[in-house]
Amino acid sequence: NAGVTQTPKFQVLKTGQSMTLQCAQDMNHEYMSWYRQDPGMGLRLIHYSVGAGITDQGEVPNGYNVSRSTTEDFPLRLLSAAPSQTSVYFCASRNTGPKADTQYFGPGTRLTVL
Amino acid sequence: SQKIEQNSEALNIQEGKTATLTCNYTNYSPAYLQWYRQDPGRGPVFLLLIRENEKEKRKERLKVTFDTTLKQSLFHITASQPADSATYLCALPLNAGGTSYGKLTFGQGTILTVHP
Repeated sequence: NAGVTQTPKFQVLKTGQSMTLQCAQDMNHEYMSWYRQDPGMGLRLIHYSVGAGITDQGEVPNGYNVSRSTTEDFPLRLLSAAPSQTSVYFCASRNTGPKADTQYFGPGTRLTVL
Repeated sequence: SQKIEQNSEALNIQEGKTATLTCNYTNYSPAYLQWYRQDPGRGPVFLLLIRENEKEKRKERLKVTFDTTLKQSLFHITASQPADSATYLCALPLNAGGTSYGKLTFGQGTILTVHP
């Protein structure tokens, strides 16, 4: 299993540009989520999904869109990038069930918005 | 709203000693608490989960305690090694109650350095 994969690893955008951060998992996990990590602030939840076709907002959803058309993929879209979105973005997935609380994180995408 | 704090930004210890990291939270009662390890440039890696009805959990050289009265978790690494040097994160479900669907809120992390 590749686990959770993210592309690209690094990205530089100009203010106002749009882009999509890709996330895929091959573990057949129902739950997937996106976090951003900023210095001194810990990881914060942006959006999450409990299955294909179902998404909802997390703590910091503004400026981001998501969709979940398949179990495997959960892309994160920045519609009009702003410098405040400079961060490291992590995608995560977990299985269902009362004992399945392990979150598996991808390697991250480091985004800089100029 | 709930708040989670790891009260040491950095911890330096000598090899062989026990490292103790602290995670405090306020304003709600989580069903469980998790600890993760994060190496530079990598994603967090899950280490341990402890539930509200468990006082202590162990895994090899790791031990976690969960005091729901004090609203605090302690994370111990015994016989520490330089390879244990990393950032350690605690995480709680974003919402109170048993079902979180993997929605977590994280502390800011403690950078542990184990010196040979």
